[in-house]
Amino acid sequence: EPEVTQTPSHQVTQMGQEVILRCVPISNHLYFYWYRQILGQKVEFLVSFYNNEISEKSEIFDDQFSVERPDGSNFTLKIRSTKLEDSAMYFCASSARTIASYNEQFFGPGTRLTVL
Amino acid sequence: SQQGEEDPQALSIQEGENATMNCSYKTSINNLQWYRQNSGRGLVHLILIRSNEREKHSGRLRVTLDTSKKSSSLLITASRAADTASYFCATDALYGNNRLAFGKGNQVVVIP
Repeated sequence: EPEVTQTPSHQVTQMGQEVILRCVPISNHLYFYWYRQILGQKVEFLVSFYNNEISEKSEIFDDQFSVERPDGSNFTLKIRSTKLEDSAMYFCASSARTIASYNEQFFGPGTRLTVL
Repeated sequence: SQQGEEDPQALSIQEGENATMNCSYKTSINNLQWYRQNSGRGLVHLILIRSNEREKHSGRLRVTLDTSKKSSSLLITASRAADTASYFCATDALYGNNRLAFGKGNQVVVIP
């Protein structure tokens, strides 16, 4: 069964460093998302992406964040200058958004980002 | 305001019993989705119920949706130890541009 994959599973970085989190969405999906979950808190929406541009972004997704689909399979989230409060589990998701699927979003296993 | 607010329950049940958890939300929705998360792991999609549906089944899962009360319930029948996890509801708002809004999650522990 096709699934969303994410790398790395765990990333440790120093405050102020740049990180890139990588995702490979399900191959026939066209809509891509990033969410994050701070330990013990709700899963929060960051950004949605379709047709090579951002569809929507939350208030969390400030100028430190960017997303890119550099090729036909990868979808990346970049944090330019990490802060301690960026420590969280980051989830990538994708959906087909056909009439039949009604925007079922399938999530990857997550990347645990630890900022020291 | 937050959508997808589960009753913040921690359920502890014996294997074989049924587990029920609830979710309420605040705005109109296109659909509501339930996810499972094992400790520190990814989110597994369980079931999606559309706003014009009232009940849906998938294996041992039964989901109901009451749009008049803006609430949903997830029933797991004949629970197994492997069902031990956190369960989240997530709403796709009617004019929300497909972002999902998650609740806080219900922790379910199934005792063998």
